[in-house]
Amino acid sequence: DVKVTQSSRYLVKRTGEKVFLECVQDMDHENMFWYRQDPGLGLRLIYFSYDVKMKEKGDIPEGYSVSREKKERFSLILESASTNQTSMYLCASSFTPIEQYFGPGTRLTVT
Amino acid sequence: KQEVTQIPAALSVPEGENLVLNCSFTDSAIYNLQWFRQDPGKGLTSLLLIQSSQREQTSGRLNASLDKSSGRSTLYIAASQPGDSATYLCAVRPNSGGSNYKLTFGKGTLLTVNP
Repeated sequence: DVKVTQSSRYLVKRTGEKVFLECVQDMDHENMFWYRQDPGLGLRLIYFSYDVKMKEKGDIPEGYSVSREKKERFSLILESASTNQTSMYLCASSFTPIEQYFGPGTRLTVT
Repeated sequence: KQEVTQIPAALSVPEGENLVLNCSFTDSAIYNLQWFRQDPGKGLTSLLLIQSSQREQTSGRLNASLDKSSGRSTLYIAASQPGDSATYLCAVRPNSGGSNYKLTFGKGTLLTVNP
């Protein structure tokens, strides 16, 4: 079975802090994704990576950056956290273009 | 721009009932369509994936159909159980080679099955 893990289930940070969310997959997938999910807005793609050190912006990249130094690990970075980044963050991985597998999510609260 | 709509937004049924969840999409040029389940506060679990050339897929009590030309998919759940209570999401992947990694999601149907 594919396993996608995320470093934290719940996280509380202060405005202005630099925040790292980490995602690890164990199936040697080349593609990894970061989404955020908000009530009434559904899932929105923040960033996508199709190989080590390669990345593409999704629909809402502003305020975020990503890092992929190893194939199995994809990090989402909030350079200066703001309250409007309070959300559920979901990581996923896949072989293109087959189904995506999701992690358990990180509920981030920025106060 | 692809848009995915799920109707109804919420559904409450008694245990044992058969039910249908609907998903529609505006651009029929899709590569595949995927149904997911999401429990409260959790990640997404893939239920069924239908390739654009397929008409339906089945897994246990679940059956998903796809009518690409009309831009519709349905998820049929037979003999519903309280454990089926969750939010069900559909997502489509475009057929365009450069961006066929990108899923467009509906906002989901919140299903409650009452004992």
